[in-house]
Parts: sequence; C-alpha cells; structure tokens
Amino acid sequence: GENVEQHPSTLSVQEGDSAVIKCTYSDSASNYFPWYKQELGKGPQLIIDIRSNVGEKKDQRIAVTLNKTAKHFSLHITETQPEDSAVYFCAATGRYSTLTFGKGTMLLVSP
Amino acid sequence: ETGVTQTPRHLVMGMTNKKSLKCEQHLGHNAMYWYKQSAKKPLELMFVYSLEERVENNSVPSRFSPECPNSSHLFLHLHTLQPEDSALYLCASSHSTYGGGSYEQYFGPGTRLTVT
Repeated sequence: GENVEQHPSTLSVQEGDSAVIKCTYSDSASNYFPWYKQELGKGPQLIIDIRSNVGEKKDQRIAVTLNKTAKHFSLHITETQPEDSAVYFCAATGRYSTLTFGKGTMLLVSP
Repeated sequence: ETGVTQTPRHLVMGMTNKKSLKCEQHLGHNAMYWYKQSAKKPLELMFVYSLEERVENNSVPSRFSPECPNSSHLFLHLHTLQPEDSALYLCASSHSTYGGGSYEQYFGPGTRLTVT
C-alpha cells in the first residue's frame, strides 16, 4: 500500500520567515495530494491540495509543489504569522481514493 | 466549521462499557470515514462507507463496530475496549470514493476517547 513520509516532525520559525514541509510517497499511481492543518482541539482542516497534472499551486501565503518523478511534494508558507502555529499533515491517495497521511509536522511561529 | 459534526466531543468509559460515537455531515456527500488519531502516529483509517455500504475495513478489531444508516450519518459502536484504544476518533466525509476528482475529505472535530 501507499506509504507517506513527512519531514521535519517539528519546525520553529520566527514570525515573517518562510516555512517548508516536505513529504515523499511510494505509490506512483497516487494522483491527489492534500495538506491539512490541525489546531489544538480541532479536526484537520484542508488548506490546499494539488493533483498530479499540476506542478505547483498557490493560494495567498501558502503554496504546494509536486515532483511526480521524484515522488515528493512540499508545502511552503511565506510571511508566517503566529496563527500559522499548528500541526500540518500531508496525504496521498490510495485505494478507493482513501488518503494515507504523514505523521505530521508541528509548526511553531514565534512573534 | 466544515459541516461535519461529531458527538460527544469527550468520552470516558470503562473497559466493560458500551458506548457509541455519532457523526453527521451536512455537505451532501456520499462517502464517510472513521479515523483513529493517536499521539505521534499518522491518522489511521478504520472504515470507509460509500452510499451506506462499507467498502474498506482496515483490520480493525471487532470491538469497534461501525454503522451507516444513511449517507448523512455514521456511528461507531464501542464495547469492551482496551486502554490502548484511547485516542481522538475523527469522522470525515467526501463526495465519493470513486475518484472523478472528488477526493477532498472534510473532517469533524473528533471525539476524545479515554478508556479507563
């Protein structure tokens, strides 16, 4: 089955800096790659996604890049703010379009 | 909020109790999912329902019993649980499980379960 690796497990940045989280996947048939943000006491919230026919997608301060040849994709957050502090999960599609998740990255943005 | 609600938000139960978790989605989706989220582990998919039919059971112990009476409601019935079953149980829904570009899953807030 699909296997998703996510790095780093924790990331501390200063407000205004950029943050990058990277994921790799194993199943070359995967074609959908979402990113979720989970704040304390809440369920994961979809923040951006990318499909395999696209190399990059941007939404304001967040962007995702996909390299299908290398089977890796990344989340980029620019001009980080304290409210960006949360746990971020990457995922990739598997059988029945179900999602396999990475272990998560705890992002801490210090003022 | 995402349109997926879960009750209760917190549950403490003994190992001999029977309880149920409830999930409801207001998004008009046809697929619903149960996930288990434990500390320092990836989200683990437990069950998938599509149009009220179970399409996936990820080797989940029989002490967890799902029920999907219609496409808007999903239950997880719990009995004789173990302390290691303590976790956050998340429900999610999506348009379908059969691709077509409708992969987006939307999560509820979860039920924090503690088994004593």
